Amino acid sequence: DTGVSQNPRHKITKRGQNVTFRCDPISEHNRLYWYRQTLGQGPEFLTYFQNEAQLEKSRLLSDRFSAERPKGSFSTLEIQRTEQGDSAMYLCASSSDVWASYGYTFGSGTRLTVV
Amino acid sequence: AQSVTQLDSQVPVFEEAPVELRCNYSSSVSVYLFWYVQYPNQGLQLLLKYLSGSTLVESINGFEAEFNKSQTSFHLRKPSVHISDTAEYFCAVSDRGSEKLVFGKGTKLTVNP
Repeated sequence: DTGVSQNPRHKITKRGQNVTFRCDPISEHNRLYWYRQTLGQGPEFLTYFQNEAQLEKSRLLSDRFSAERPKGSFSTLEIQRTEQGDSAMYLCASSSDVWASYGYTFGSGTRLTVV
Repeated sequence: AQSVTQLDSQVPVFEEAPVELRCNYSSSVSVYLFWYVQYPNQGLQLLLKYLSGSTLVESINGFEAEFNKSQTSFHLRKPSVHISDTAEYFCAVSDRGSEKLVFGKGTKLTVNP
């Protein structure tokens, strides 16, 4: 297992376009998390899945954002009608049931630039 | 609402000097506390954690942190740093019963020769 994989690593898009990011967690992890990190800030929670169920969403996740984890394996995060304020690093993490004992395993992130 | 304050955005030190990275949190309930490290061009990695029990926790590479409930702090220390410790360090808190982490803004540690 090579850890948490995120694709693409970088994405440049024009304002108003839709973008989709993919996260492949560690195979035996049933929990998957999305965070967003802007310049000079720590990661901010967006949403979290246990298997295929989306259990919590942040107020940061506006109507333009949607996340899915259709079969409890990989997850996608889609941003519709992108705005310049969406430019950030989007981080995915996964964990097992004993998430606190072992912490999250983070991917390297997808850096989104909206021009 | 929970918040985490990392008082220093940047900490430059010389190799083999001691270092302390400060972290304070606000929460009205019992918490779990974490330090994550991000080396250049890499993802965040768990450095150490406090869940319960002994208030002093240690990592395998010589860092330690002490949970101080009365001061709501979880400062990270290392008695002698190496150049390879150069990285950004994030403190994070989670309410027990929640899986959501609230991170501080990070502290960039630069170890100079």
